[in-house]
Amino acid sequence: GAVVSQHPSRVICKSGTSVKIECRSLDFQATTMFWYRQFPKQSLMLMATSNEGSKATYEQGVEKDKFLINHASLTLSTLTVTSAHPEDSSFYICSASRNYNEQFFGPGTRLTVL
Amino acid sequence: QKEVEQNSGPLSVPEGAIASLNCTYSDRVSQSFFWYRQYSGKSPELIMSIYSNGDKEDGRFTAQLNKASQYVSLLIRDSQPSDSATYLCAVNRPGTGGFKTIFGAGTRLFVKA
Repeated sequence: GAVVSQHPSRVICKSGTSVKIECRSLDFQATTMFWYRQFPKQSLMLMATSNEGSKATYEQGVEKDKFLINHASLTLSTLTVTSAHPEDSSFYICSASRNYNEQFFGPGTRLTVL
Repeated sequence: QKEVEQNSGPLSVPEGAIASLNCTYSDRVSQSFFWYRQYSGKSPELIMSIYSNGDKEDGRFTAQLNKASQYVSLLIRDSQPSDSATYLCAVNRPGTGGFKTIFGAGTRLFVKA
């Protein structure tokens, strides 16, 4: 149990376009979903926390208008990177929690902006 | 001071040896403690969680927690080459929506065959 999927696994886009990443908890209902970003050789940095039906809470320094998060249901959250630029190229990872404690990670999405 | 500190390594141990990974945290309201393993290019995988002082064993892994010293460790017995990865220490503390997880920068482990 506790499987989290993420789609797509890899995306290459042109500068200025928008990219949507989906995160799904496949076999449990997630009370909370998290979005992280990881640059090469660095640790995970929390971008935002989202609960179903409410607005996401963004970490300091993360632009909410650039990284749009929608938590439509207890099993689905989406992250849209709007007007992507090369500096947004990174490994984006979502996670889902069902008990306000442990979280389970999706496989990640590698975004490359040309 | 970082909230969660780990030695970046690399830590190199021979196959069959015990690998010892350490982590300290700064916020005393931290409630839950985790070790994740991350292979290069992959997302983290939870390998141990510990919530109270003392030791917790699961197979070849033992997590140790000392809240008074704000210290968490992970021992890997009979280390295998497949254990070569980056190990992330993570700490939960109260946050929006229930909790917030703070990750250390990770310790790179190499197990030599």
